[in-house]
Amino acid sequence: KQEVTQIPAALSVPEGENLVLNCSFTDSAIYNLQWFRQDPGKGLTSLLLIQSSQREQTSGRLNASLDKSSGRSTLYIAASQPGDSATYLCAVAGGFKTIFGAGTRLFVKA
Amino acid sequence: DAGVIQSPRHEVTEMGQEVTLRCKPISGHNSLFWYRQTMMRGLELLIYFNNNVPIDDSGMPEDRFSAKMPNASFSTLKIQPSEPRDSAVYFCASSKEAGTSTDTQYFGPGTRLTVL
Repeated sequence: KQEVTQIPAALSVPEGENLVLNCSFTDSAIYNLQWFRQDPGKGLTSLLLIQSSQREQTSGRLNASLDKSSGRSTLYIAASQPGDSATYLCAVAGGFKTIFGAGTRLFVKA
Repeated sequence: DAGVIQSPRHEVTEMGQEVTLRCKPISGHNSLFWYRQTMMRGLELLIYFNNNVPIDDSGMPEDRFSAKMPNASFSTLKIQPSEPRDSAVYFCASSKEAGTSTDTQYFGPGTRLTVL
């Protein structure tokens, strides 16, 4: 059974700092891994999708990596801004099912 | 495109009452998912449909929960009778290529359910 763990559970950083969010999963037989953003009271928005054959994806200040063999992914946020404050969820897809981590709650202080 | 539409956005009901949540997926998407999110258990998959057919309902917590997808543009999640422990945010999501490496799910804004 796939399990997805995210560390840390919460993070507070000053504006401008670079930061890394971590995700680990137990079953390497995945189709893809995604990072989602969730703002309070809102639904989830996909930020980056890494296919199982890929190692990383980049979008603007965001970079996500995938190491299937070790069951790990990282989300790197460069030059953080107060608008980045949200909960970030890692999600692993195997077949039709997607398993989500509990998320990392990020607060960027102005 | 309007995205995934859910209604109502908020629902407050009393224990024992029937609750029906509604979802309209993105046009052209052939897979639909119902999730429940709580602080204690995070985001849990309840059921998913492919081409209007339920594929896996193993996440449905009890017989009190049922879901239908009568056509490609509408789905319901029903709880009867509702209990306080059902209080959560219920999300509907849809995708175009479920089961493929490029698939991504698009989430609705959720329905916040409170059972008193």
